[in-house]
Amino acid sequence: KAGVTQTPRYLIKTRGQQVTLSCSPISGHRSVSWYQQTPGQGLQFLFEYFSETQRNKGNFPGRFSGRQFSNSRSEMNVSTLELGDSALYLCASSLSGTPNTGELFFGEGSRLTVL
Amino acid sequence: QQQVKQSPQSLIVQKGGISIINCAYENTAFDYFPWYQQFPGKGPALLIAIRPDVSEKKEGRFTISFNKSAKQFSLHIMDSQPGDSATYFCAAVGSGNTGKLIFGQGTTLQVKP
Repeated sequence: KAGVTQTPRYLIKTRGQQVTLSCSPISGHRSVSWYQQTPGQGLQFLFEYFSETQRNKGNFPGRFSGRQFSNSRSEMNVSTLELGDSALYLCASSLSGTPNTGELFFGEGSRLTVL
Repeated sequence: QQQVKQSPQSLIVQKGGISIINCAYENTAFDYFPWYQQFPGKGPALLIAIRPDVSEKKEGRFTISFNKSAKQFSLHIMDSQPGDSATYFCAAVGSGNTGKLIFGQGTTLQVKP
């Protein structure tokens, strides 16, 4: 079974631009979560989508948005990029079953550099 | 704000030794505590996890100890190997928040041969 696939793996943008990152979850997984990883702040939760609906949201400004499609694939968008947005953006998928197991399967991430 | 505090930030252990990483949490609504292992260039991967009604869980060389009253839990890596060199994150999950993990800051472990 293929793992979580994220594209692009690396990208460089300039301040003020916007970026869209893509995530294909493991087949059968309906929940997709996004995390930002930086050396200073560690791993921070951005948002989670389940069945095309945002189920949870972290404490990030409105410049960060996402969506999920009917095939569970997800995209996140960051508008008006700032230098501080430089980070590794990780996507994770889960079965989202009950009870909550906390078991997320992460992709290798998209490394964004903002100049 | 919900927090999980992790220590130490970095750890160097000799091959065969015991690596110990500690975490503390504040929110009693957490009901699942996973540990993730991350190698350079890779995403985190689930290593082992525990629920608060269990005081200890062992899987191979990895053991989680959980102290509910102290709101602390720790990861012990027995017989540490160079291949264990990675960054380890503890995390906490609240009830109903399947995809929302609150991570500790991470511990970079180096196991010297």
